[in-house]
Amino acid sequence: GENVEQHPSTLSVQEGDSAVIKCTYSDSASNYFPWYKQELGKRPQLIIDIRSNVGEKKDQRIAVTLNKTAKHFSLHITETQPEDSAVYFCAASRGSTLGRLYFGRGTQLTVWP
Amino acid sequence: DVKVTQSSRYLVKRTGEKVFLECVQDMDHENMFWYRQDPGLGLRLIYFSYDVKMKEKGDIPEGYSVSREKKERFSLILESASTNQTSMYLCASSLLTLRLTPETQYFGPGTRLLVL
Repeated sequence: GENVEQHPSTLSVQEGDSAVIKCTYSDSASNYFPWYKQELGKRPQLIIDIRSNVGEKKDQRIAVTLNKTAKHFSLHITETQPEDSAVYFCAASRGSTLGRLYFGRGTQLTVWP
Repeated sequence: DVKVTQSSRYLVKRTGEKVFLECVQDMDHENMFWYRQDPGLGLRLIYFSYDVKMKEKGDIPEGYSVSREKKERFSLILESASTNQTSMYLCASSLLTLRLTPETQYFGPGTRLLVL
């Protein structure tokens, strides 16, 4: 099956700096790559996703890039704010897995004021 | 707006008890999932279901079973609870498209289970 590796496991940045979280995947047939944010005590929620026919997608301060050749994708957060502090999970999937997502282990992002 | 609910936020059970965790979604989603979340281990898939009465094992099915008698409801059963099953349990649901393209998973609030 698919194997998703996520780095780093913890990340601390100063408010206003950028944060980058990277994930690699093993199954070249994967074609859907979502990112979830989980605030303390809350449920994971989708913040952005990308499909394999697109190399980059942006939504305000967050962006995701995908390199299918190298089998890696990254989450970029610019102008970080304290409310960006959370655990972020990447995931990968393909159509034949009946909706199953393969998750990375998560990155704890802390943004210091 | 998708709503996924779980029967309990907190649960305390004794070793050997049979435990039922219930999940209900109101968006007519075909897919439903049960994960457990432990610090440093991320979200690990226990079981999932893509249709009524259908189930598939995830990565850690041992010690668990599931039931899906109705489309909107997916139950996780711990046949004989053990202390190593103390964890946060998250349910999720998603749409199954005709093209089988993966879709967004919507999570419930989680059940924190403590087995004594």
